[in-house]
Amino acid sequence: EVQLLESGGGLVQPGGSLRLSCSASGFTFSYYTMSWVRQAPGKGLEWVSAITGNGINTYYADSVKGRFTISRDNSKNTLYLQLSSLRADDTAVYFCAKGVTGHDHWGQGTLVTVSS
Amino acid sequence: SYVLTQPPSVSVAPGQTARITCGVNNFGSKSVHWYQQKPGQAPVAVLFDDSDRPSGIPERFSGSNSGNTATLTITRVEAGDEADYYCQLSDINSNHLGMFGGGTKLTVL
Repeated sequence: EVQLLESGGGLVQPGGSLRLSCSASGFTFSYYTMSWVRQAPGKGLEWVSAITGNGINTYYADSVKGRFTISRDNSKNTLYLQLSSLRADDTAVYFCAKGVTGHDHWGQGTLVTVSS
Repeated sequence: SYVLTQPPSVSVAPGQTARITCGVNNFGSKSVHWYQQKPGQAPVAVLFDDSDRPSGIPERFSGSNSGNTATLTITRVEAGDEADYYCQLSDINSNHLGMFGGGTKLTVL
């Protein structure tokens, strides 16, 4: 059974940093591109970033480019998202999802709140 | 704002047919994926590439794409279908990689 479990969310001040993790199991992690998708409170889904299975190619939404960094450790079956220079409008539930698009599995999400 | 345009809301009585559209005018003939999201839950894929149902999704869920507009059709709507529905661009070569529509709230009357 495929499982994705996010962690690392919390309350952070504007301008601060946070690292999110997504632990994967039930499939050959290194074979798949993985993505982060976020959802601000009461709003729709926003694709944030993706990374290819070998970790070589990364992709970002314009809204986070230069501030967020996606990475992965295939030996640990774990996906990461380093969030920096955080702003209030980065407040959201962050989901990890299998695939670059057409996500057949999602985690339950981790909440990031940016507030002073 | 969202480049993939969805109506904010659609309402339908139980047993009737719901149609939720996703305008893809700016992308030519591109296919989309569809997701269902219930309150407090992660999204669940209901259609891939316009019309392919993942395992476990009822046949009541189907899709089409005219080239400019993709449509998710839910027949014999049930109370449990009430949710937000999102389309997502499937074109991995687009500058709008992974882009979602704004979402449609399906209300079962």
